[in-house]
Amino acid sequence: AQSVSQHNHHVILSEAASLELGCNYSYGGTVNLFWYVQYPGQHLQLLLKYFSGDPLVKGIKGFEAEFIKSKFSFNLRKPSVQWSDTAEYFCAVSRVRGNNRLAFGKGNQVVVIP
Amino acid sequence: GAVVSQHPSRVICKSGTSVKIECRSLDFQATTMFWYRQFPKQSLMLMATSNEGSKATYEQGVEKDKFLINHASLTLSTLTVTSAHPEDSSFYICSALWWGRSGETQYFGPGTRLLVL
Repeated sequence: AQSVSQHNHHVILSEAASLELGCNYSYGGTVNLFWYVQYPGQHLQLLLKYFSGDPLVKGIKGFEAEFIKSKFSFNLRKPSVQWSDTAEYFCAVSRVRGNNRLAFGKGNQVVVIP
Repeated sequence: GAVVSQHPSRVICKSGTSVKIECRSLDFQATTMFWYRQFPKQSLMLMATSNEGSKATYEQGVEKDKFLINHASLTLSTLTVTSAHPEDSSFYICSALWWGRSGETQYFGPGTRLLVL
């Protein structure tokens, strides 16, 4: 079964600092990759996704992610965080031509200190 | 963009009663929806895949007779927790699968918090 790994579950940083969250998956076939964000008290929202093409994907709110196939990674980045980026971030992977099920990582709890 | 709603947002019920949760895709049709549980400080656990017009597919360890799923239309799936017990208290989240030109994406509802007394 495929698995998704997210490290450093708790991340605390100051405003204007850069953020990078790692995501690695175990499945060797072709995958679709997603980052979702869950703000406090709110539902999961799609931040960005990768299906094919340019491995550098830009999402909403200044986030981007880079798919590195050789490393089975899809790391999320933001050059300068804001207090409003305090949230939980989930990486998710689905198999292309699979059953559309998403495998989620355990999430990163990010706290941005003003 | 794709919007998914859930109703109710929270429910409190007595042990032994049944609770129905609705999941609706508001601006697109979804032949496939998914039901998850989310425990505090943890990730989402997939419970079942809901398919319009056919039986749901349950994940290993999820009791299909306890968690009844009905996907009667292209915009509505329901999850009924039958004979609920306190251990069923959780945050239940649905998602609906949206088919785009380049691939499929799950859009999530706001979740339903269930508390069984």
